[in-house]
Amino acid sequence: NAGVMQNPRHLVRRRGQEARLRCSPMKGHSHVYWYRQLPEEGLKFMVYLQKENIIDESGMPKERFSAEFPKEGPSILRIQQVVRGDSAAYFCASSPGTIYEQYFGPGTRLTVT
Amino acid sequence: GIQVEQSPPDLILQEGANSTLRCNFSDSVNNLQWFHQNPWGQLINLFYIPSGTKQNGRLSATTVATERYSLLYISSSQTTDSGVYFCAVANFGNEKLTFGTGTRLTIIP
Repeated sequence: NAGVMQNPRHLVRRRGQEARLRCSPMKGHSHVYWYRQLPEEGLKFMVYLQKENIIDESGMPKERFSAEFPKEGPSILRIQQVVRGDSAAYFCASSPGTIYEQYFGPGTRLTVT
Repeated sequence: GIQVEQSPPDLILQEGANSTLRCNFSDSVNNLQWFHQNPWGQLINLFYIPSGTKQNGRLSATTVATERYSLLYISSSQTTDSGVYFCAVANFGNEKLTFGTGTRLTIIP
């Protein structure tokens, strides 16, 4: 059973460009979570999605950030008009339901130049 | 929101030593996980342990939910154990994990 997959693993964007991060959950998992880790810090929750629904986006910045988990295909975290402060590692996790262990992907390291 | 504190923040040990890492949390939880972030940044699941005791090789963990703390034990440390250890919890009615600030473990050969 393949683990959580994220791509790209490394992404470099210039200020003002858009960044799209993809996450494919483990097989059989319908719950997806995105977390951000700023340099030298712990992980912070951003958003929790189930298929076609955003369940909790309390950790998501109000502007420029959006997330989706369509019926078919991976979950996408989209950052518009990136700024240097968006440089971080973005981790995706998945679980088969509520109150279950969350399994983490390898992360996408975003660098904004 | 729920608060998570980990101690010690840093730990430097000789290879072969044992260690105990602590995680205190401020509210009842229905999810508690321990992770190891290796020097390459990968986050590795160690334990899912909202209560009770588990063991996996040289690692074991105990969560005393009524007293709101969890302990991670590492025995016979190896250099590959180096990295940052995170505790993360979710309280009832919440699915999002709140992470502690981590314990940075350095194992010296």
